[in-house]
Amino acid sequence: GNSVTQMEGPVTLSEEAFLTINCTYTATGYPSLFWYVQYPGEGLQLLLKATKADDKGSNKGFEATYRKETTSFHLEKGSVQVSDSAVYFCALSETASNTGKLIFGQGTTLQVKP
Amino acid sequence: NAGVTQTPKFQVLKTGQSMTLQCAQDMNHEYMSWYRQDPGMGLRLIHYSVGAGITDQGEVPNGYNVSRSTTEDFPLRLLSAAPSQTSVYFCASSLDRGFNNEQFFGPGTRLTVL
Repeated sequence: GNSVTQMEGPVTLSEEAFLTINCTYTATGYPSLFWYVQYPGEGLQLLLKATKADDKGSNKGFEATYRKETTSFHLEKGSVQVSDSAVYFCALSETASNTGKLIFGQGTTLQVKP
Repeated sequence: NAGVTQTPKFQVLKTGQSMTLQCAQDMNHEYMSWYRQDPGMGLRLIHYSVGAGITDQGEVPNGYNVSRSTTEDFPLRLLSAAPSQTSVYFCASSLDRGFNNEQFFGPGTRLTVL
């Protein structure tokens, strides 16, 4: 079945460091890929998405490229801030079943220290 | 717009008790869903609805019931609470079941079953 695997956390960085959070997926068909972010005490909110191979999603300095050949959608940011501390979820949408269902990775906690 | 609202924010139940988690959205979204979030497991789909009067099971439906009598509301019922249902529950909505659509999440309900 479809699945998403993210790198284990927590990831601890100093402010202005470079961030990469790895995400790989297994899917039939051509899913859309998403990164959601969950700030402490809040629900998830969409950070960025990509709907086809080689698309790059970007938002708030974060970006991720849909790589079909490596089945990956790694999240990157050039210079993190303390306010980026949150849990990041990679997800894919099931296209074959037409259910609107999202398959989530286990989440990666990012802590940014001043 | 209030977006997606959930009540209560916190709840403690004893084993065997029943309760209803409320979810409402004011964006006229057709698609609504319930997820549970457990440590190290990401979010898993419990039930979903593609429109008023239509519901279906997700990945982990056992022990939960839903109904969708209006477009706005999608309550989740726990029939007889068990400790395994201790979790954080998120309601989400999107325009329709389209796989490119952003899903909007509520702030969550933290449930503890003793």
